[in-house]
Amino acid sequence: EAQVTQNPRYLITVTGKKLTVTCSQNMNHEYMSWYRQDPGLGLRQIYYSMNVEVTDKGDVPEGYKVSRKEKRNFPLILESPSPNQTSLYFCASMDRGRGYTFGSGTRLTVV
Amino acid sequence: AQSVTQPDIHITVSEGASLELRCNYSYGATPYLFWYVQSPGQGLQLLLKYFSGDTLVQGIKGFEAEFKRSQSSFNLRKPSVHWSDAAEYFCAVGAGGTYKYIFGTGTRLKVLA
Repeated sequence: EAQVTQNPRYLITVTGKKLTVTCSQNMNHEYMSWYRQDPGLGLRQIYYSMNVEVTDKGDVPEGYKVSRKEKRNFPLILESPSPNQTSLYFCASMDRGRGYTFGSGTRLTVV
Repeated sequence: AQSVTQPDIHITVSEGASLELRCNYSYGATPYLFWYVQSPGQGLQLLLKYFSGDTLVQGIKGFEAEFKRSQSSFNLRKPSVHWSDAAEYFCAVGAGGTYKYIFGTGTRLKVLA
């Protein structure tokens, strides 16, 4: 089944404790992206990757890092999480212009 | 610059009634247009997309949308809503042939039995 897999689904952490949210896709898509979803703000793009070793900032990149060492994986790294990063995070991948396939989301709470 | 507006934050309809969710976009050329649905606790699922050609597009779950260039709109419709359609709906616009997409802020649909 074609899918984007994110882990974990739920995560509660403390301020400043580094964390990684993993994302993997099995569709051989070149393009992958991370979004955060907040009430009233819709989806905002954090980072995206056009291909292996090619990443770029989206609209809200502050406080996040990403890497793309393999085509299928695109982890999101929070080096020092803060409470304002409490949000619902989605990883997505796509073929050019064909629309996204989204993961099921990761609900992160930073206390 | 690209932008997407979904003017209705919440919409409530009775089961069996017709539905129209509004989406207005701003983009210089012919955009790629999408509607996604997000059920509670789930990711976003693609309902339908418009790239070119016939301006009335059919999607999954009985949904359709019409691209109206003169009104810069891409409204989503369904003739008869089912209780399982209760969800949040997102419109998105993309620059043709690129990976850049902008999402609207969503419309939450409530269905009354």
